Amino acid sequence: ETGVTQTPRHLVMGMTNKKSLKCEQHLGHNAMYWYKQSAKKPLELMFVYNFKEQTENNSVPSRFSPECPNSSHLFLHLHTLQPEDSALYLCASSPQDSNQPQHFGDGTRLSIL
Amino acid sequence: GENVEQHPSTLSVQEGDSAVIKCTYSDSASNYFPWYKQELGKRPQLIIDIRSNVGEKKDQRIAVTLNKTAKHFSLHITETQPEDSAVYFCAASRTGGGADGLTFGKGTHLIIQP
Repeated sequence: ETGVTQTPRHLVMGMTNKKSLKCEQHLGHNAMYWYKQSAKKPLELMFVYNFKEQTENNSVPSRFSPECPNSSHLFLHLHTLQPEDSALYLCASSPQDSNQPQHFGDGTRLSIL
Repeated sequence: GENVEQHPSTLSVQEGDSAVIKCTYSDSASNYFPWYKQELGKRPQLIIDIRSNVGEKKDQRIAVTLNKTAKHFSLHITETQPEDSAVYFCAASRTGGGADGLTFGKGTHLIIQP
C-alpha cells in the first residue's frame, strides 16, 4: 500500500485534448512534487510545492500546468501535448522541514497519439 | 544547477556476489543523498539515504558511502539475491528532500545471475 495515490494509472490522449492527472497523499506531508520519467533518461523534476505554494518550476513548458489546492492534493493539467511528452509522470511527497525522504506514487503512464 | 552522474548503466553479478554502484555530483551545497530501487512497472522506493554529516551508513546487506571532498557516493549490496534485480537510482538535493526537489542519476540496471 502506498501513501501516495495517483490517478489515472494509464492515459491515452490526442495532442488537442485536455486532461488532468491527480495525486493525493495520506502521509501528512507539506511538500509535493511532479517528476517525469522517460525511457533511458533520469527522472526529471518538474514542479515543487511547499505548503501549497509553488517553489520550483524546472523550466517546464506551459502546456503543463500544476495546481495544488491543499497540502494533500496535487494536479497536473495537460493541454496541447506533443508526442515527446509521452512518459511516466510520478508524484511524490515529503515533510517540508523534517529532513525526511520523498515518497513516490505509482505514476500515470501517459501516451500521446 | 546540480548534475548527477551514475555508473555503470548496467551491472550483472552472480548471485551471492557484491554489487557496487557509483555516483558523482557537481553542487557542493548538496547535503542529502538517497538511493531508490525501481522494479519494472513499479514506483521508485527508497532503500537507503545518507546526509553530509556522515561518511557511511549501513542497513543489513545495503551500505552507502559518501566522500564530500571528492563529491561522490556509492551504493554497496552484499550477498546479492535474485530479488535485488531492479533499476537503482542515486539522487542529490540541497536539503533533506523537503524544500528542494531531487536531481537523479540515469539509473543502473542490476541483474543478478542465478
